Amino acid sequence: DAMVIQNPRYQVTQFGKPVTLSCSQTLNHNVMYWYQQKSSQAPKLLFHYYDKDFNNEADTPDNFQSRRPNTSFCFLDIRSPGLGDAAMYLCATSPLGLQETQYFGPGTRLLVL
Amino acid sequence: QKEVEQDPGPLSVPEGAIVSLNCTYSNSAFQYFMWYRQYSRKGPELLMYTYSSGNKEDGRFTAQVDKSSKYISLFIRDSQPSDSATYLCAMSSYGNNRLAFGKGNQVVVIP
Repeated sequence: DAMVIQNPRYQVTQFGKPVTLSCSQTLNHNVMYWYQQKSSQAPKLLFHYYDKDFNNEADTPDNFQSRRPNTSFCFLDIRSPGLGDAAMYLCATSPLGLQETQYFGPGTRLLVL
Repeated sequence: QKEVEQDPGPLSVPEGAIVSLNCTYSNSAFQYFMWYRQYSRKGPELLMYTYSSGNKEDGRFTAQVDKSSKYISLFIRDSQPSDSATYLCAMSSYGNNRLAFGKGNQVVVIP
């Protein structure tokens, strides 16, 4: 089945220790998104890729970076995680021109000690 | 005023009841209206998608959009315990890759 895969599902890191979360997709969608979702809150868009074109949200901290080496893969790098970065990180994809139909991965739950 | 308002609940109903969820919004440019279902510790799953005003039905689920009132609804008929989840409304405007989400409404269907 075509899908969005996120690894790892759970990630524990230490305060200030860089961490990388990964996302892959078999849907061949042009657009990929990273969201941060904290408990009982709406997903918050961090950035998205329109093919290789990177689009950062204005309020996304510099601590968050992303890479998309090819259509299938996208990475979220948190350079110096703080306690406030503990959250569920969701990757999503959508076909070009159909951004309203986003397909989400299962998420990576990040814990910062 | 937030772009999308959704009462977080939680909402508990007995099995077989009709579940009624709604969201209001402030941005009149929104044209695409979605409902996502999110099970605990999982990613959101697209449940219903409606363009502009009107109703859409899919099995036990009905989505309604009233653009004049900036109000959208989701109805679940004959609710099942497997419908227990958080339901998020989301919306976007034409040509905008960004979805505006509500905070989500937790629904518990009691057997």
